[in-house]
Amino acid sequence: KNQVEQSPQSLIILEGKNCTLQCNYTVSPFSNLRWYKQDTGRGPVSLTIMTFSENTKSNGRYTATLDADTKQSSLHITASQLSDSASYICVVSQNYGGATNKLIFGTGTLLAVQP
Amino acid sequence: DVKVTQSSRYLVKRTGEKVFLECVQDMDHENMFWYRQDPGLGLRLIYFSYDVKMKEKGDIPEGYSVSREKKERFSLILESASTNQTSMYLCASRLPGGWYTFGSGTRLTVV
Repeated sequence: KNQVEQSPQSLIILEGKNCTLQCNYTVSPFSNLRWYKQDTGRGPVSLTIMTFSENTKSNGRYTATLDADTKQSSLHITASQLSDSASYICVVSQNYGGATNKLIFGTGTLLAVQP
Repeated sequence: DVKVTQSSRYLVKRTGEKVFLECVQDMDHENMFWYRQDPGLGLRLIYFSYDVKMKEKGDIPEGYSVSREKKERFSLILESASTNQTSMYLCASRLPGGWYTFGSGTRLTVV
């Protein structure tokens, strides 16, 4: 069964600290993996997208890693800020070719950054 | 920047009402999607459209229909709203094979 599992479900950290969110997937055939940030009451906004051959990709204080062999990804947030409080969703694209890729969504990790 | 606009942020409707959720994108994207998001379930695909006049069922199409008369507009229709359709509805668009851009969502409550 094609699934995307994220851990932890929720996380509370102090402002300025680092954290790492995990994503394990069983989606096949694999096309790419994306991390989205979703603020409360808003739509998801893309942070990074990684293909099979990419191991690490950074976007400011966000760094995503991908291990295609173990089918695991992580999102590391450095020097957290209050504005990082959001739900972070891992999404894996299932490759049927071109326009017919299907997205499989994780249920997200809810991050709360406290002052 | 691509903009995906959903006409309402919050809606409250009565059971049995016909409900229209509108989505407009401004970047000439061929593909458009409707998802619903519920706690603990993640985003689930309701319907999608690869081009004007085209529509395909997603994973949970029951109780919904869609309309794509113009390229920029994709409407989700609840023919007879029920309480189990209370949810956050998200529209998305993209170029074929490209990144998905999501709208801000419509939180629908059916009472």
